Amino acid sequence: EDKVVQSPLSLVVHEGDTVTLNCSYEVTNFRSLLWYKQEKKAPTFLFMLTSSGIEKKSGRLSSILDKKELFSILNITATQTGDSAVYLCAVCMDSNYQLIWGAGTKLIIKP
Amino acid sequence: ETGVTQTPRHLVMGMTNKKSLKCEQHLGHNAMYWYKQSAKKPLELMFVYNFKEQTENNSVPSRFSPECPNSSHLFLHLHTLQPEDSALYLCASSQEGSSGANVLTFGAGSRLTVL
Repeated sequence: EDKVVQSPLSLVVHEGDTVTLNCSYEVTNFRSLLWYKQEKKAPTFLFMLTSSGIEKKSGRLSSILDKKELFSILNITATQTGDSAVYLCAVCMDSNYQLIWGAGTKLIIKP
Repeated sequence: ETGVTQTPRHLVMGMTNKKSLKCEQHLGHNAMYWYKQSAKKPLELMFVYNFKEQTENNSVPSRFSPECPNSSHLFLHLHTLQPEDSALYLCASSQEGSSGANVLTFGAGSRLTVL
């Protein structure tokens, strides 16, 4: 059965800390992995990763994929209260372009 | 605004009511989706429409009935729902096949409470 597992399920840190969120997957035919951020509204797209070892970066956020060990990490440096959200990971299947979703990591940044 | 608009944002209904959720996308995408989001669970894909044709129906109970009159509009008709159907219903759209992956753009969701 195809699945995506995110860890931790929730995380509380202080402003300024660095956090690492994990997404591991087991799928039959992998095309790409996507990260989304969901505050109290629509999930918004962060990154799409298709190749191992190539870091994607946007400001204080970065992500990398390991296709050998079947996982991705999302790093956030110098966290701010506005980073508080649920971070969702999804794997896009090669066969039908459909997405398999993880349950999300709820990140709370304390001032 | 993401370019995908959902109404209503909140809906409370009894188990015998009939209501509808509406979604409109202004992005020129060719595919639209309904997802159910429950607390601490992965997003559950309900329906997919590609060029107005339904391509996925993930064993969704018949009390949920989708309608896609054109490539910009998607409805979810609700009838005799159960309390366990209370959840956030997210609409999304994408341009399938354009970038090698299915990057969805989501609406803000309709929070449904069934009493």
